[in-house]
Amino acid sequence: DTAVSQTPKYLVTQMGNDKSIKCEQNLGHDTMYWYKQDSKKFLKIMFSYNNKELIINETVPNRFSPKSPDKAHLNLHINSLELGDSAVYFCASSQDRRGYGYTFGSGTRLTVV
Amino acid sequence: QKEVEQNSGPLSVPEGAIASLNCTYSDRGSQSFFWYRQYSGKSPELIMSIYSNGDKEDGRFTAQLNKASQYVSLLIRDSQPSDSATYLCAVNVGSGGGADGLTFGKGTHLIIQP
Repeated sequence: DTAVSQTPKYLVTQMGNDKSIKCEQNLGHDTMYWYKQDSKKFLKIMFSYNNKELIINETVPNRFSPKSPDKAHLNLHINSLELGDSAVYFCASSQDRRGYGYTFGSGTRLTVV
Repeated sequence: QKEVEQNSGPLSVPEGAIASLNCTYSDRGSQSFFWYRQYSGKSPELIMSIYSNGDKEDGRFTAQLNKASQYVSLLIRDSQPSDSATYLCAVNVGSGGGADGLTFGKGTHLIIQP
């Protein structure tokens, strides 16, 4: 059983398109996150959700919107994709807001052409 | 501005030797400290977590934390070629239980030479 699963694993799309990345965790964790890892491998927090409540929202463009239908899911929707959005996006979850039991998904490599 | 600093390397260590990885952080309110290993094309994998000053050992890995110096390190004993990877230091400020997410360093690329 995969603890934190993301789909798709690879996503190639044209500039201006809208796309979504899905994430699901079966760990019973309370908090889920989205991270972006750029071409220089720098991993940076984008959003986190705790019990469906957005508790942080880093200074990312408002073209990015997290959506959480329930505690086990946190999807990332991106509007009007730009070349600079190309990166690997990781979903993660933790037991609670203190960050215990942090677990990452396998990542989604997004390429905008 | 929360910052986590690491030497990007590459750090080259002979097989069987001790690899020493270092990390400093800027926010004195930081409460939780983590070391992740990331192989190329893979997701970060938790190696060690440490929450109080001192040493914490788990198999060949030892994490060391010094909050006064705002310094955390990872020692890998009896280094193996399979330890070759990028090691990411991460810090969670967690003020009042708030989940700010983890702040990562840019990682140290470790190469174990057979």
